[in-house]
Amino acid sequence: KQEVTQIPAALSVPEGENLVLNCSFTDSAIYNLQWFRQDPGKGLTSLLLIQSSQREQTSGRLNASLDKSSGRSTLYIAASQPGDSATYLCAVKPQGAQKLVFGQGTRLTINP
Amino acid sequence: EAQVTQNPRYLITVTGKKLTVTCSQNMNHEYMSWYRQDPGLGLRQIYYSMNVEVTDKGDVPEGYKVSRKEKRNFPLILESPSPNQTSLYFCASSLKRGREETQYFGPGTRLLVL
Repeated sequence: KQEVTQIPAALSVPEGENLVLNCSFTDSAIYNLQWFRQDPGKGLTSLLLIQSSQREQTSGRLNASLDKSSGRSTLYIAASQPGDSATYLCAVKPQGAQKLVFGQGTRLTINP
Repeated sequence: EAQVTQNPRYLITVTGKKLTVTCSQNMNHEYMSWYRQDPGLGLRQIYYSMNVEVTDKGDVPEGYKVSRKEKRNFPLILESPSPNQTSLYFCASSLKRGREETQYFGPGTRLLVL
């Protein structure tokens, strides 16, 4: 059974810092991995999708990497801003499954 | 604007009173699904649909029903809600059934069952 873990559960950093969020998964048989952002009381916004054959994806100040063999992904946020404060969720799509398996999320706070 | 919409956004009801949460997408997506989000348990899939008239159970289907009569709509039905179905519900859709798809989520429906 695929399990996804995100550490830490919460992170607070000063504005302007670069930071890394971590995601690990137990089964490397995945189609893809997706990072989402969730604001309080809001839905999930897709940030980046990495296919199983890819190593990384970039969008603006965000860079996500995938090491499928070790079951790890990282989301790098450069030059953090208060508007980046949100919960970040990692989800994998297991091979042969029609669903996403989510981690519990990292609640990120950027302090001005 | 491409989007997934859900209605209602907030709902308070009583045990046993049937309710339906609607979900609609305007992206001509084949695949749609429902998730619930609970503290400490994260997001878990309830049901999914690969196309019109094709639905299947997810990880936590008990107490829920779905239908997919049209491609754009995928309602979630609680025929006899119970307090343990109090949760935040999300509908999602994606274009392809294969591996190369991004899933798009609706804004969520917060349900309280008294």
